[in-house]
Amino acid sequence: GAVVSQHPSRVICKSGTSVKIECRSLDFQATTMFWYRQFPKQSLMLMATSNEGSKATYEQGVEKDKFLINHASLTLSTLTVTSAHPEDSSFYICSAIGTGRSPLHFGNGTRLTVT
Amino acid sequence: QKEVEQNSGPLSVPEGAIASLNCTYSDRGSQSFFWYRQYSGKSPELIMFIYSNGDKEDGRFTAQLNKASQYVSLLIRDSQPSDSATYLCAVRGNNRLAFGKGNQVVVIP
Repeated sequence: GAVVSQHPSRVICKSGTSVKIECRSLDFQATTMFWYRQFPKQSLMLMATSNEGSKATYEQGVEKDKFLINHASLTLSTLTVTSAHPEDSSFYICSAIGTGRSPLHFGNGTRLTVT
Repeated sequence: QKEVEQNSGPLSVPEGAIASLNCTYSDRGSQSFFWYRQYSGKSPELIMFIYSNGDKEDGRFTAQLNKASQYVSLLIRDSQPSDSATYLCAVRGNNRLAFGKGNQVVVIP
């Protein structure tokens, strides 16, 4: 079964509004969570890396004030897309990893459409 | 040099044949190696992981790791149309996890 739960799976919002996406690790403690964005027919693009209890590390070109990431516990991270615009429409995927050699597990993704 | 490299071109294989995917990595200290499958419009799913040199088999999938040459490969035996997807190689080491850009596999019935 799924080890990383991501909600919502789809969201449509109006331009200028904010959208929050949740990512939960279900049966392990996620020391690190990653947020990716993927446009059609393109590769996964890492947006940011977050460790529990500390500020997220954003990749170059990703606006930290626009994409707010909170990793308040070892099982929950949230991504808030603030003041969304049509160009933010994309497939957002979270992933989580535990300690040691454990693999990265992905959530099912959130398809965001901004109208 | 990119951390993880995969040949970017699509791989077309006839149904029933073996699909072979290769991945090279730059960090010699890497310890864990993963293969993910991603169907169009879906998120990636883990299909294989390997930590030690040699082969690891799981059903129709075989992962091969050669740390001296810094490559990891994935073989898909008896390829099925349902194997048509993008396959991502991931390498973990020193608290970093890096992905290749993926290899698209098309299995032709």
